[in-house]
Amino acid sequence: QKEVEQNSGPLSVPEGAIASLNCTYSDRGSQSFFWYRQYSGKSPELIMSIYSNGDKEDGRFTAQLNKASQYVSLLIRDSQPSDSATYLCAVNLDRMDSSYKLIFGSGTRLLVRP
Amino acid sequence: DGGITQSPKYLFRKEGQNVTLSCEQNLNHDAMYWYRQDPGQGLRLIYYSQIVNDFQKGDIAEGYSVSREKKESFPLTVTSAQKNPTAFYLCASSGSGSSDNEQFFGPGTRLTVL
Repeated sequence: QKEVEQNSGPLSVPEGAIASLNCTYSDRGSQSFFWYRQYSGKSPELIMSIYSNGDKEDGRFTAQLNKASQYVSLLIRDSQPSDSATYLCAVNLDRMDSSYKLIFGSGTRLLVRP
Repeated sequence: DGGITQSPKYLFRKEGQNVTLSCEQNLNHDAMYWYRQDPGQGLRLIYYSQIVNDFQKGDIAEGYSVSREKKESFPLTVTSAQKNPTAFYLCASSGSGSSDNEQFFGPGTRLTVL
C-alpha cells in the first residue's frame, strides 16, 4: 500500500462548480498535511496546510482533515479554468527520524471546462 | 525578493558525466531538500539537510551527492553512477516557527541525459 494515495484523474468539472480532491494516507500518526498545486512544467506551489481535524478555509479553497478515517481533501469553490493543474497531497510522517520529511502522493489532475 | 533559485533551468548531460545543480535560498530557512519528479509521478526525496554541515539520505540517494557548507546553499551532484538521471529536479526549503515543516519549492531544473 502506498503511503499517500490520490486518484490520478483527470477530474473534469465545469467552470463555476465545486471541485473535490481526495487523499488518503497510511501512517496513523501523521500530524501535518499539505496541498500543492503544480501547473504543467512548473514547480509545486503550496496552497493549503492543515494540522487539526475539521475544515480550514482560505478564499475559494477549503481543506478538510479526518484523522480517524485517515483522509484529507481539498475543495475548490467556483472553479476557474486557471485552476486546471495537478494537485499534490503531502503528509508529514510522525517518526523520530523523519520529522522533516514529506511524503507526496502522485497527484490528481484537475481540468476545469469553460 | 525572498525566494529559492535553482540553476540552470535546463541541463543536458552526456552519459558518464557528473553534473551539479545549484540551489540557493534567501529565506533564512534552516532545512533544505532535493526531490526528483518523473513524468506522472509524485516527488521522491533524494537528500535533505536540517542544518549546515549536516545532511541525510532520502529514499533514492544512490548516485547523488550533496554538500551544505552554507545555510543559503545546497548543491546536488548527479554522478555517473545514477543509472536513470533524466528527470525534473526540485529544491525546497523550510524554516523555523509554527509552520516549520511547510516546504517551499524553487522553479526546478530539468535534466536530460543524451
